[in-house]
Amino acid sequence: GEEVAQTPKHLVRGEGQKAKLYCAPIKGHSYVFWYQQVLKNEFKFLISFQNENVFDETGMPKERFSAKCLPNSPCSLEIQATKLEDSAVYFCASSQMDGGNSPLHFGNGTRLTVT
Amino acid sequence: AQSVTQLGSHVSVSEGALVLLRCNYSSSVPPYLFWYVQYPNQGLQLLLKYTTGATLVKGINGFEAEFKKSETSFHLTKPSAHMSDAAEYFCAVTSDTGGFKTIFGAGTRLFVKA
Repeated sequence: GEEVAQTPKHLVRGEGQKAKLYCAPIKGHSYVFWYQQVLKNEFKFLISFQNENVFDETGMPKERFSAKCLPNSPCSLEIQATKLEDSAVYFCASSQMDGGNSPLHFGNGTRLTVT
Repeated sequence: AQSVTQLGSHVSVSEGALVLLRCNYSSSVPPYLFWYVQYPNQGLQLLLKYTTGATLVKGINGFEAEFKKSETSFHLTKPSAHMSDAAEYFCAVTSDTGGFKTIFGAGTRLFVKA
């Protein structure tokens, strides 16, 4: 598609439950990025993919967070055993990334609320 | 390492007045610089980008930004604010190294008064 599609828009989980977020990148974009936005600012980089391969995972809290981008499937970000501090809006972005000058195309985000 | 500093978390202007949002960056390699805008309940939209060449970059909605290497700045301006410009603005930096990771500033919320 021509837009990055993120589902669901809203997700509510009790502390300790699992949360799974999905992202369909723009067709033809080979790079996918996940960002976490807390308190309506501060975009924190989590992980990036080049096609189905992890490209950079330096921002991932590895104990509870995992992500995948499999062929012919939406990308996913999964949080095991959610904590209150995981409450945030999670944004997915895709890019052609033929260099660092390629802009990111963002989805509208998934708002995760952990209660 | 790269970083971005946006001066002023909130900026308020009157409709028709000049908009100036400040951004300074730090990068050990030639940077690519971006301004994005975020409207409520939406993701970021690209306003403009600087790669190489002309230092004055024009973007959408009448915005422009000037790359000043000597000042490591990339301030965003618009000659005349419109009510519809009220939003959150993010400056960002990336490069051809470091895994193409885009680093964002903390954002500046622009308020436009009638």
